[in-house]
Amino acid sequence: EDQVTQSPEALRLQEGESSSLNCSYTVSGLRGLFWYRQDPGKGPEFLFTLYSAGEEKEKERLKATLTKKESFLHITAPKPEDSATYLCAAGGQLTFGSGTQLTVLP
Amino acid sequence: EAGVTQFPSHSVIEKGQTVTLRCDPISGHDNLYWYRRVMGKEIKFLLHFVKESKQDESGMPNNRFLAERTGGTYSTLKVQPAELEDSGVYFCASSLARGSEAFFGQGTRLTVV
Repeated sequence: EDQVTQSPEALRLQEGESSSLNCSYTVSGLRGLFWYRQDPGKGPEFLFTLYSAGEEKEKERLKATLTKKESFLHITAPKPEDSATYLCAAGGQLTFGSGTQLTVLP
Repeated sequence: EAGVTQFPSHSVIEKGQTVTLRCDPISGHDNLYWYRRVMGKEIKFLLHFVKESKQDESGMPNNRFLAERTGGTYSTLKVQPAELEDSGVYFCASSLARGSEAFFGQGTRLTVV
């Protein structure tokens, strides 16, 4: 059975304090590791897709990396507007983790 | 370009009633997915259409749920009769190809009382 686990469940950062979110996965036939951002009352917003170990993608203050068993979402010098729940998903039909709720304090 | 659109955004119904949720995918996206998040849990896969065909419905909880995608365009998800445990947020997503990034709608919050 496909499994995706995210840690930590919640993370509070001061503005400018860099950190990383973790996503570990066990799926049969990885067809991509996906990162999404979700704001309250909205649907998940696509951020990145990673397909192979060693791959990295960047967007503004976010960088996603992938190994054979884990993915990391690095947040550099975050701002309050980066506050959201970050979701990781993998597998053919997207098995989601429970998310990391990030709060960036001004 | 319009994103994935879901109707209604909220629905409150009584136990035993019927509710139909609608999803309009991004134009040209053959792959359409339904997901559900119940209180405190992860988003869970329900089913996957490729055009009008059901590719995988392994996540459908029981036969009270019926999904259709006539003509390979919009999709509906009907719950009949609704039970209390069906409450949650139902998301629809679409993608150009299987395995490519899926774009989500804003969700329909269903409350069964």
